[in-house]
Amino acid sequence: AQSVTQLDSQVPVFEEAPVELRCNYSSSVSVYLFWYVQYPNQGLQLLLKYLSGSTLVKGINGFEAEFNKSQTSFHLRKPSVHISDTAEYFCAVRRAAGNKLTFGGGTRVLVKP
Amino acid sequence: DGGITQSPKYLFRKEGQNVTLSCEQNLNHDAMYWYRQDPGQGLRLIYYSQIVNDFQKGDIAEGYSVSREKKESFPLTVTSAQKNPTAFYLCASTGGAPVGTGELFFGEGSRLTVL
Repeated sequence: AQSVTQLDSQVPVFEEAPVELRCNYSSSVSVYLFWYVQYPNQGLQLLLKYLSGSTLVKGINGFEAEFNKSQTSFHLRKPSVHISDTAEYFCAVRRAAGNKLTFGGGTRVLVKP
Repeated sequence: DGGITQSPKYLFRKEGQNVTLSCEQNLNHDAMYWYRQDPGQGLRLIYYSQIVNDFQKGDIAEGYSVSREKKESFPLTVTSAQKNPTAFYLCASTGGAPVGTGELFFGEGSRLTVL
């Protein structure tokens, strides 16, 4: 079975500064990888996904992530954050041939003015 | 607009009572999922269904039950056997064949509080 570890439970960051959210996964087979964002008391919204091809994936709201197979990582980055990026971010993995998504524990981002 | 509708958004229940959370989608998706979210624990899979009249247990199915009589509906019942039911419950769906690229579309969630 696959698993996902988000190494930081909370990340405080100043407005207009860069942010990186770390995600590592474990799986013995090919996987698809996802980042979701959740605003308070709402459902999750897809930021970006890696299925195959280029290891650098660009998503919505200026986010990007890089798939590193040798390090089994899929870290999320944004070069300059806004107050509106304050939210919880979830990394998730699914076996390419599977049908269940496994989520990490989440990283809460707090953007300070 | 297409999407997933969960109701109610907030629900209070006394101990020993069963409660049913509704999830309806008009995305024409085959697969539907129920997740439970607790602070600091991410999302944990309760049940999922890949097709009408069929469903499978997820990682934390004990104390829950589901049905899938229609493609667009996947209600979740939290029974009195669930020892710690207070949580935020999220319904999701995905389409494609067999389950597409696995991207899940989520509802807005239902927050259940047991008094």
